[in-house]
Amino acid sequence: DAKTTQPNSMESNEEEPVHLPCNHSTISGTDYIHWYRQLPSQGPEYVIHGLTSNVNNRMASLAIAEDRKSSTLILHRATLRDAAVYYCILSRGGSEKLVFGKGTKLTVNP
Amino acid sequence: EPEVTQTPSHQVTQMGQEVILRCVPISNHLYFYWYRQILGQKVEFLVSFYNNEISEKSEIFDDQFSVERPDGSNFTLKIRSTKLEDSAMYFCAITSMSSVHNEQFFGPGTRLTVL
Repeated sequence: DAKTTQPNSMESNEEEPVHLPCNHSTISGTDYIHWYRQLPSQGPEYVIHGLTSNVNNRMASLAIAEDRKSSTLILHRATLRDAAVYYCILSRGGSEKLVFGKGTKLTVNP
Repeated sequence: EPEVTQTPSHQVTQMGQEVILRCVPISNHLYFYWYRQILGQKVEFLVSFYNNEISEKSEIFDDQFSVERPDGSNFTLKIRSTKLEDSAMYFCAITSMSSVHNEQFFGPGTRLTVL
């Protein structure tokens, strides 16, 4: 299973942007970069994914380094509801299982 | 976004008893998955299921575990003889027909407590 490295925790203030980094130096050419988050006492929630180009959706943006060895999940304006554990996961698509690490615990201060 | 419900939300059982956890996807689904999360630990993959067959299972998914789709809609995880260490949150997940690159959608989970 391809591995990712994320900081254990980060803090942000409400209504400020948050940049959550992820290193995946052993990524292969067919690996997609997925981000999920898990709010307290809930199941994981899909956030965004990408392959090479930067991606935007209603929840977040994903910036992927040119060499694909790192990526950054961007929350443009953090809210208290964004406090969660954020997981960066590599997946080759198809039906492959998701391998969760410890993720980054994001605290959002009011 | 596909929705997934799970029942019960909380199950308390005695060690050695059988439990059945249920997952009901409310969308066109493709693959089913079960994951578990022991309190304070990582989310762990248990099994994936496609076309009425197991497509992959982890080392955790031993002979005590089984999965099936009894009525073509519900997706169940059965633990035949529960152990204390089976206490965990169990999450069902699906990929839908619109999941292009393995985006998985999770249910709210069932908290299993084995006494």
